[in-house]
Amino acid sequence: DTGVSQDPRHKITKRGQNVTFRCDPISEHNRLYWYRQTLGQGPEFLTYFQNEAQLEKSRLLSDRFSAERPKGSFSTLEIQRTEQGDSAMYLCASSLGSLATMGQYFGPGTRLTVT
Amino acid sequence: AQSVSQHNHHVILSEAASLELGCNYSYGGTVNLFWYVQYPGQHLQLLLKYFSGDPLVKGIKGFEAEFIKSKFSFNLRKPSVQWSDTAEYFCAVIREAGNNRKLIWGLGTSLAVNP
Repeated sequence: DTGVSQDPRHKITKRGQNVTFRCDPISEHNRLYWYRQTLGQGPEFLTYFQNEAQLEKSRLLSDRFSAERPKGSFSTLEIQRTEQGDSAMYLCASSLGSLATMGQYFGPGTRLTVT
Repeated sequence: AQSVSQHNHHVILSEAASLELGCNYSYGGTVNLFWYVQYPGQHLQLLLKYFSGDPLVKGIKGFEAEFIKSKFSFNLRKPSVQWSDTAEYFCAVIREAGNNRKLIWGLGTSLAVNP
């Protein structure tokens, strides 16, 4: 499968614990996006990388959230001191070149449940 | 505030019925428009996109959408739905002249097609 992959697919954690998710984009795609999606809502933008540079972060991304893309390939999203409100589906997407013309390709998501 | 509105949150149709899902956006100027689909248990997939040229865009699986600039609309249509079209449908917009790094998403429309 040459699509976007995410790991793990499901994560259950206790409040206060740290979690880390991984995203592997389509190999030639230079742009990588993280979104959060809750039930009944569209995806909410969290952050965006072009190659290894993090070019934009949403105000939704509090200090407890950090994302990296160290070599311009895979990316990680870490949530520290998780809260119940962090429970959501975390989506990763990648694109090649202009988002406007190319669109984005999404991974299956990581469903986080904070108990 | 910048926004994308999807008028119908839940739609229930019988097979062979015609479908039209509304999408309106609140920006002036040039925009790029997308429809994404999320089948049950699957990841978001690009259905079709508009960025220039013919305002009537044809996508996968018999879907089409028409960009009407004067109405700020990009409605999704299919002349005859199938049970397999049961899914969540999302409209998304980029302002070409503005931030080209992220999509602004509607809340989604849940479509259920009864066999």
